Amino acid sequence: GDSVTQTEGLVTLTEGLPVMLNCTYQSTYSPFLFWYVQHLNEAPKLLLKSFTDNKRPEHQGFHATLHKSSSSFHLQKSSAQLSDSALYYCALSGAGYQNFYFGKGTSLTVIP
Amino acid sequence: EAAVTQSPRNKVTVTGGNVTLSCRQTNSHNYMYWYRQDTGHGLRLIHYSYGAGNLQIGDVPDGYKATRTTQEDFFLLLELASPSQTSLYFCASSDPGEDQDTQYFGPGTRLLVL
Repeated sequence: GDSVTQTEGLVTLTEGLPVMLNCTYQSTYSPFLFWYVQHLNEAPKLLLKSFTDNKRPEHQGFHATLHKSSSSFHLQKSSAQLSDSALYYCALSGAGYQNFYFGKGTSLTVIP
Repeated sequence: EAAVTQSPRNKVTVTGGNVTLSCRQTNSHNYMYWYRQDTGHGLRLIHYSYGAGNLQIGDVPDGYKATRTTQEDFFLLLELASPSQTSLYFCASSDPGEDQDTQYFGPGTRLLVL
């Protein structure tokens, strides 16, 4: 069945270092991939999503590239900021809810 | 931007109590969802619906009922609450085919069962 895997549960980084959060997926369809971000005491909200034309989505300095060959959609940022500390979910959408899955989330903590 | 509201924002009840969590979306989305969020488990789907009167079972449905009365309103019912249902509950809405099924979340309801 379809699934999303986020291998890191907790990531701690020093401010200014690059961010990379891993996301791999398994799907019987050609899915759309999403990254959601959830700051403390807030609701999850969309950070970015894959495009149909293979463009690289970017938002707030974050970007992710959908690699169908390796079934991956890793989240990256060149320089971590303290305000990036949050819980990040990778998610997959195929055709309708029946193919919408969230990973278990990666908690990112950025320290001075 | 999609708007999803939830009430109450916080709720305390006792074991065996009866609780109803409410969700309303004002974007004419067909799909609505109830999730619970617990540390170490991420977001887990309880129930969902793709229209008024429709209900579908999610991944962790035990102990929960749901009802979709209108396109806008989706309710989650805990008829005999247990401490294991202490959690943060999120409602979300989406429309397959719109925004590639992007889900929009409400602010959450924090439930404590004593």
